[in-house]
Formats: sequence, structure tokens, C-alpha cells
Amino acid sequence: GAGVSQSPRYKVAKRGQDVALRCDPISGHVSLFWYQQALGQGPEFLTYFQNEAQLDKSGLPSDRFFAERPEGSVSTLKIQRTQQEDSAVYLCASSSGHLQETQYFGPGTRLLVL
Amino acid sequence: GDSVTQMEGPVTLSEEAFLTINCTYTATGYPSLFWYVQYPGEGLQLLLKATKADDKGSNKGFEATYRKETTSFHLEKGSVQVSDSAVYFCALPTSASKIIFGSGTRLSIRP
Repeated sequence: GAGVSQSPRYKVAKRGQDVALRCDPISGHVSLFWYQQALGQGPEFLTYFQNEAQLDKSGLPSDRFFAERPEGSVSTLKIQRTQQEDSAVYLCASSSGHLQETQYFGPGTRLLVL
Repeated sequence: GDSVTQMEGPVTLSEEAFLTINCTYTATGYPSLFWYVQYPGEGLQLLLKATKADDKGSNKGFEATYRKETTSFHLEKGSVQVSDSAVYFCALPTSASKIIFGSGTRLSIRP
């Protein structure tokens, strides 16, 4: 596709449910990033992949958060036992992989935990 | 550590007014600097960037100059339009490839 796509666009979960958020990066992009954007705030880094390798997961807020990119393309962010504080927009971005190269963002998945 | 501080909003201006949104940064080394924009209902888009000190990034009538001496990257536009209404984020890519974003400034332009 022409850009980064994410699905679903909206997700409502009951507290305690597990959710899975999908990201399709721009074809050929080596690097993939996940960010969390709370209401009224800037995005905050969660994790980073280069191809299938997860090189940085320092931003994941707890061990309930898990991300994978098994074939170096599509990525899934999984949140187990969701809590109300997990409610946010989850953004995926991809880039060509060169240092400080422009990251292209998807539209995000808005997660609401009730 | 690396950080970005930007002017809090919301900012409301009349059409054709002059815009400045302040941004200062703290970083090791001399990183690139970005401004991203988020239009209502859309994803984050790169608005402009500067890759080294004294560079000026520009796009869609917006400009920002990378000033090392004041560690600033203020966003300016000489004459804003209603279509510029959006949230603007100053951003700092780190050596670890992730981006550190400011908290965002919501801009509303009155016709």
C-alpha cells in the first residue's frame, strides 16, 4: 500500500480482556516503531524493530505489553489483561532504516478500556 | 536525557495572523529536528525538518530554523489559514532511532 495502515481503527475492550493491534508498514521499510498517545499528549515511544529483531522495548509500560514482527513486515502489539490506563491511541510508524530518517505514521488505533 | 519542551496551547488566531509556536530541546550531540502536524481525524505527518545547526526547514508556508546557540526550533508562519487548524508537535529523533515528541500545541484559526 501507499502508507502505513493499522487495524482496527477503534477498539473497545472490557477491563481484563486481551487485545491485539496490527500494523502494516510501508513496503520495504526496515524499521518499525510503536508509540502510545494519551489524550492531549504527544506520542511516547514503546518499542522498535529492525526487520524481525526487537532492538528496543524500553518504552513498554509493563509486562502486559508485548510486540512482535515475526517476518520483518507486519507487526502486532498485544496488550494482556487490559486496564483503564491503557486507553490511548496506539500509533505505528515505519522508516527506511537509516539513522534519523523520517518516520511515516499510520492513522492509529484508538483503544478504550471500560 | 534528551527532551523537547514546546509552547502549551491552545492557540487561537484570526486568519492571516502571524504564528509562532516555541520549541526548545535538550540533546546530546547535534540531532535533526522535526515538526509534525496532526490534522483533525488524520495521522501524524511530517511538516518540516532540519538536519543541522542553522538549517531552515520549510513547507506549506511554515518555517523553522535550527538554532544551536539557543537550542530552539520555533515554528513560524506569516499568514495562517483556517486549514492550518491542527495539533503541532516538535520532535527530536534520538541516536537510538526513536522520536521524542513535545506535548503538542493545538492551533485553531478563526475565519
